[in-house]
Amino acid sequence: ETGVTQSPTHLIKTRGQQVTLRCSSQSGHNTVSWYQQALGQGPQFIFQYYREEENGRGNFPPRFSGLQFPNYSSELNVNALELDDSALYLCASSQAGGGSYNEQFFGPGTRLTVL
Amino acid sequence: TQLLEQSPQFLSIQEGENLTVYCNSSSVFSSLQWYRQEPGEGPVLLVTVVTGGEVKKLKRLTFQFGDARKDSSLHITAAQPGDTGLYLCAGFLEAGGYNKLIFGAGTRLAVHP
Repeated sequence: ETGVTQSPTHLIKTRGQQVTLRCSSQSGHNTVSWYQQALGQGPQFIFQYYREEENGRGNFPPRFSGLQFPNYSSELNVNALELDDSALYLCASSQAGGGSYNEQFFGPGTRLTVL
Repeated sequence: TQLLEQSPQFLSIQEGENLTVYCNSSSVFSSLQWYRQEPGEGPVLLVTVVTGGEVKKLKRLTFQFGDARKDSSLHITAAQPGDTGLYLCAGFLEAGGYNKLIFGAGTRLAVHP
């Protein structure tokens, strides 16, 4: 059983550029959640995808968008990058329908630096 | 304003000491989790507590969920340098048909030999 993987591990972009981050969910999991973790902070929920559709979103602007594919892998896209977008982006996979809570397993994250 | 407040933010102690980390909120959570995160890695789940008043033990770590399911604590007995890391509490909020995981800002623990 493979765990959650993310790519790339590190990325440097400039203001105004666009970025795509990728996540492969753990085998058997159908739900992917994305989080942004700024330096010295806890992760902040961006959105969640279930069966290829967004089914929940945190307080992030529309320039943060995502996709989930039939194999349950996912992408996070950020347009018009701003300096404050510099953070560790975490992906977590889970299996919906597992009870009152769905245990999430986190990937190692992608460190994005915006200059 | 954080929905989940963790305290203290930083803790620097000597090996062998005991410590308690607190996680407080005015909201009720369906369950609460504690994670540990190492630099450059994602959070790793330590425990999930579901029932108000629940106490779970994981070796030298004791986790408690408040009776009203609004707060939790993590107690470490005889801390070791290997316990060093960022400890995060996270609560599940049921919102519009899905469970949203809300994190606290974390407690950064340093245990010195």
